[in-house]
Amino acid sequence: QKEVEQDPGPLSVPEGAIVSLNCTYSNSAFQYFMWYRQYSRKGPELLMYTYSSGNKEDGRFTAQVDKSSKYISLFIRDSQPSDSATYLCAMAGSGSARQLTFGSGTQLTVLP
Amino acid sequence: DSGVTQTPKHLITATGQRVTLRCSPRSGDLSVYWYQQSLDQGLQFLIQYYNGEERAKGNILERFSAQQFPDLHSELNLSSLELGDSALYFCASSVATTNNEQFFGPGTRLTVL
Repeated sequence: QKEVEQDPGPLSVPEGAIVSLNCTYSNSAFQYFMWYRQYSRKGPELLMYTYSSGNKEDGRFTAQVDKSSKYISLFIRDSQPSDSATYLCAMAGSGSARQLTFGSGTQLTVLP
Repeated sequence: DSGVTQTPKHLITATGQRVTLRCSPRSGDLSVYWYQQSLDQGLQFLIQYYNGEERAKGNILERFSAQQFPDLHSELNLSSLELGDSALYFCASSVATTNNEQFFGPGTRLTVL
């Protein structure tokens, strides 16, 4: 079983829809949670960064972390065609080295 | 643009050969991470350096090695290449070893024929 599970999709939504992306994890040591966006095999771009449980909002993006359920989510409001990309969740523990463990990515297409 | 640079963008080589991938971190970042992204394995952590010293190792093969130089740039050396080493190799950097906000470079696409 992988430490981080993510539905690979593909997910296709109309422009303006609310998108919900999710990951589950099994390692209780994970304390830091991130979402990256990757366009067609380019370098991943950091979208959201959260520590422990709770919500964080940045423009059209909201990240939620529920450590009790080992479940994290990314919501995209008013989705745009430019949001079409692969979204990767990533996690790290609190040790001295903070290497990231990634989900497999969800491919999102926003249709105009 | 993340500020992390990687060269070359593409590399095509034959089995058994050795290649070197180069990464320059963002200005001020002391920590460098190397990741491999393949279609079947996703993004996987290989190795981390902080201010010239190795800090963590992930699923890195013995045929692979890395180093970070005094000017903080890093090189990933891949030797005795196999077909299965074909992948995207990303470098990421962060301010400190305990900072999780890692910024990724554009990657090097390696094709082993």
